[in-house]
Amino acid sequence: QLQLQESGPGLVKPSETLSLTCTVSGGSISSSDYYWGWIRQPPGEGLEWIGSSSYSGSTYYNPSLKSRVTITLDTSKNQFSLNLNSVTAADTAVYYCARHIRYQLLHDIFDIWGQGTMFIVSS
Amino acid sequence: QSVLTQPPSVSAAPGQKVTISCSGSSSNIGNNYVSWYQQLPGTAPKLLIYDNNKRPSGIPDRFSGSKSGTSATLGITGLQTGDEADYYCGTWDNSLSAGVFGGGTKLTVL
Repeated sequence: QLQLQESGPGLVKPSETLSLTCTVSGGSISSSDYYWGWIRQPPGEGLEWIGSSSYSGSTYYNPSLKSRVTITLDTSKNQFSLNLNSVTAADTAVYYCARHIRYQLLHDIFDIWGQGTMFIVSS
Repeated sequence: QSVLTQPPSVSAAPGQKVTISCSGSSSNIGNNYVSWYQQLPGTAPKLLIYDNNKRPSGIPDRFSGSKSGTSATLGITGLQTGDEADYYCGTWDNSLSAGVFGGGTKLTVL
């Protein structure tokens, strides 16, 4: 079955760029039926959607993060990545990748999630 | 401040029923389908309900969802200690063009 696994450095200094990768196994990201998304959860807090991108080229970002976020898909490696630049302590969180089913502009479902990876911003 | 509003916590005894509310607006719940996610302690969220009231394969029918206007509700019957978790509602917000979640509700089974 489809599985997602996040990877990346756990610690980055303020003002640097966070780069995380999600490796997808058991299925292909080269399907226009799905989006591939990132969601984060600061310690002790709730979920925050970061953005989602599809193989068709359609991409959505959280307006509060849009100026700092880029999500890219690498079909040759069956991976998708998150880049978040100019990080601050407020970006410290567990970052999850997830498959995002979006259809008819009415249905948005995060049906499969990675286990999450903790990312800390500290000097 | 979350776009969708959930109670911070609910509690009930084993075997009882509990409901968790999720309140939004016409730009989100009022015009889109709602999903619910269960996050057990120390684990990733898991899809519990989608399209307001549908259960993915493997989710027991003790879990149910409903929607009315700009609010949605998650119901859990026959509570078990293993149901202790944080529960989140989620949907799309047309004004923000963004996915949005509720702040989460911590369920305690006393």
